[in-house]
Amino acid sequence: DAGITQSPRYKITETGRQVTLMCHQTWSHSYMFWYRQDLGHGLRLIYYSAAADITDKGEVPDGYVVSRSKTENFPLTLESATRSQTSVYFCATRGANTGELFFGEGSRLTVL
Amino acid sequence: DAKTTQPNSMESNEEEPVHLPCNHSTISGTDYIHWYRQLPSQGPEYVIHGLTSNVNNRMASLAIAEDRKSSTLILHRATLRDAAVYYCILTRFNKFYFGSGTKLNVKP
Repeated sequence: DAGITQSPRYKITETGRQVTLMCHQTWSHSYMFWYRQDLGHGLRLIYYSAAADITDKGEVPDGYVVSRSKTENFPLTLESATRSQTSVYFCATRGANTGELFFGEGSRLTVL
Repeated sequence: DAKTTQPNSMESNEEEPVHLPCNHSTISGTDYIHWYRQLPSQGPEYVIHGLTSNVNNRMASLAIAEDRKSSTLILHRATLRDAAVYYCILTRFNKFYFGSGTKLNVKP
C-alpha cells in the first residue's frame, strides 16, 4: 500500500490535447496539493484542496483545472496542453492534525 | 506570499556538521517554518518544522532566531545520502510555498 500514488508516471502529449494526471491517497488526509517543478527550479503550487469539494488556487493555476469529488482522489487536468506546461508534477497530501506534507513520486509530462 | 531566501548551493565534508541558513524577514506571527529535502529524481520529503522554539528530531535540528526572521537547519553529521536540495518554507493558511532551495553537496 503506497499511501499516495500518481499516474501516469510518464506522459507525452501534443499541444492542444487534454491531459489528466491522477493522484490517489489511502490515508484519508484532508489536504491535497498539486505542484509543478521545472528543470532546475523549486516547486510551485498550482492548486490545493482542503477537503472534498473544496479547492483553491495556488501560485500558477492558469491552464489547469482540478476537482475533488472524493477525499482520496485529486485529479489535475490540463484542458489544452501547451509546451510551457512541460514539467514534473507532484501531488502531496497533509493530514488535518499533522504538520508535514507527503509527496508522490511525480508525473513527468512532456508537451510536444 | 511569504518568501524565503537561501544560498543556491553549499558544500560539506562527510561526517561533519552542516548549517543551512534561511532568511524569512517577512514572516508573520502565525507562519510555521518547514524544511524539506529533495533527493535526485524523487519527491520532496519532510525534514523538520517549528514555530518559535528550536526543534530536534532524528534527522536534524532547527534553530530559529529570536525575532524569527531567520532559521538554520543543522545536520549534525552529514552523510553522502544527505546530498540533496533543501527547501526552507513558510506555511500560511495551509499553503506551502517552496523557493529554489539550497543544493547541498557532501564530499567523501
